[in-house]
Amino acid sequence: EDKVVQSPLSLVVHEGDTVTLNCSYEVTNFRSLLWYKQEKKAPTFLFMLTSSGIEKKSGRLSSILDKKELSSILNITATQTGDSAIYLCAVEGRSNYQLIWGAGTKLIIKP
Amino acid sequence: ETGVTQSPTHLIKTRGQQVTLRCSSQSGHNTVSWYQQALGQGPQFIFQYYREEENGRGNFPPRFSGLQFPNYSSELNVNALELDDSALYLCASSWKGRDLITVFGPGTRLTVL
Repeated sequence: EDKVVQSPLSLVVHEGDTVTLNCSYEVTNFRSLLWYKQEKKAPTFLFMLTSSGIEKKSGRLSSILDKKELSSILNITATQTGDSAIYLCAVEGRSNYQLIWGAGTKLIIKP
Repeated sequence: ETGVTQSPTHLIKTRGQQVTLRCSSQSGHNTVSWYQQALGQGPQFIFQYYREEENGRGNFPPRFSGLQFPNYSSELNVNALELDDSALYLCASSWKGRDLITVFGPGTRLTVL
């Protein structure tokens, strides 16, 4: 059965710290991995990683896909209180009609 | 470019009742997916609609059903509500045939008493 596992489930750090969130997957016929940020309601898109694009960066956020290890990391440097959210990882597999989601990492940034 | 909208934002029902949730897709998107997200968990795929037909379904019973209309808006219907149906219901739209960057609506918070 396809699955996506994120770790840690929750994380509390102080403003200015750097955090690394992990996502590992077992998905048949992997196509892409996506990272989303969820604050109050709807998840908002951050990055999409594929075989042809294994590293993405946007400001203080960056993500790398390791196809050999079947995993991805999301790095946030110089964290701010506004980074507090649930970070979700999703993987597109053999069926291109659905994403398989991890449970998320709840990140809390203390001032 | 309009985003994905959902209605209502909150809803309270009692066990056994039926509910209809509505979603308008982002302009230019032809595929809509529905997800159930329980507190503290990632979204769980319910089903997807493409060209007004169900295009895939997750592990949800038949009392969860849906429709997609020619303008790509969609409805999620749940019959015989159970307490465990209490969750955030997310509608998401995307363009079939391209990458699966999915845009989510704000969700409907359903509480079943």
